[in-house]
Amino acid sequence: AQSVSQHNHHVILSEAASLELGCNYSYGGTVNLFWYVQYPGQHLQLLLKYFSGDPLVKGIKGFEAEFIKSKFSFNLRKPSVQWSDTAEYFCAVNAWDTGFQKLVFGTGTRLLVSP
Amino acid sequence: NAGVTQTPKFQVLKTGQSMTLQCAQDMNHNSMYWYRQDPGMGLRLIYYSASEGTTDKGEVPNGYNVSRLNKREFSLRLESAAPSQTSVYFCASTRPSEAFFGQGTRLTVV
Repeated sequence: AQSVSQHNHHVILSEAASLELGCNYSYGGTVNLFWYVQYPGQHLQLLLKYFSGDPLVKGIKGFEAEFIKSKFSFNLRKPSVQWSDTAEYFCAVNAWDTGFQKLVFGTGTRLLVSP
Repeated sequence: NAGVTQTPKFQVLKTGQSMTLQCAQDMNHNSMYWYRQDPGMGLRLIYYSASEGTTDKGEVPNGYNVSRLNKREFSLRLESAAPSQTSVYFCASTRPSEAFFGQGTRLTVV
């Protein structure tokens, strides 16, 4: 079965700093990869997704992620964070498991951006 | 287009009480899920349903039951609530390219 690891549980940055959040997954087959964001008190929203093609994926609000198949990684990046990026970020993998696509999440990274 | 609708938004239960969380989607998706979200543990899959009439256990199914009576609705039942089930519960439905989440149910068991 697939699993997802997010190694940074809490990240604190100042505004304008660059961000990189790590995500590694374990699954031998074809996967679809996602990053979701959860702002305080809200439900999860899709930031970006990778299905195939260019491994560098651009999402909303200036976020991007790079799929490195050899490293089983899908790290999230943003060149310059803003206070409004304070949120929890979840990496997720959607893989075929016994013929059914199952969406599995990492444990999340809580980002705090100080003004 | 409502997407995924969950009810209730908040609930307080006493230990041993039962309740059902309701979820409905209007996007004609086959796949639906129930997750619980706890601090530091991310979203853990409780049960999922590949299609109408089928359900399967996820990571943390103990203490829960589910029903997928039709394509739109997927309910989660707590037969005898325990304090360890205090959590935020999310329902989701998916197409291959994206998952859509409900607003969540904050459940407290005292």
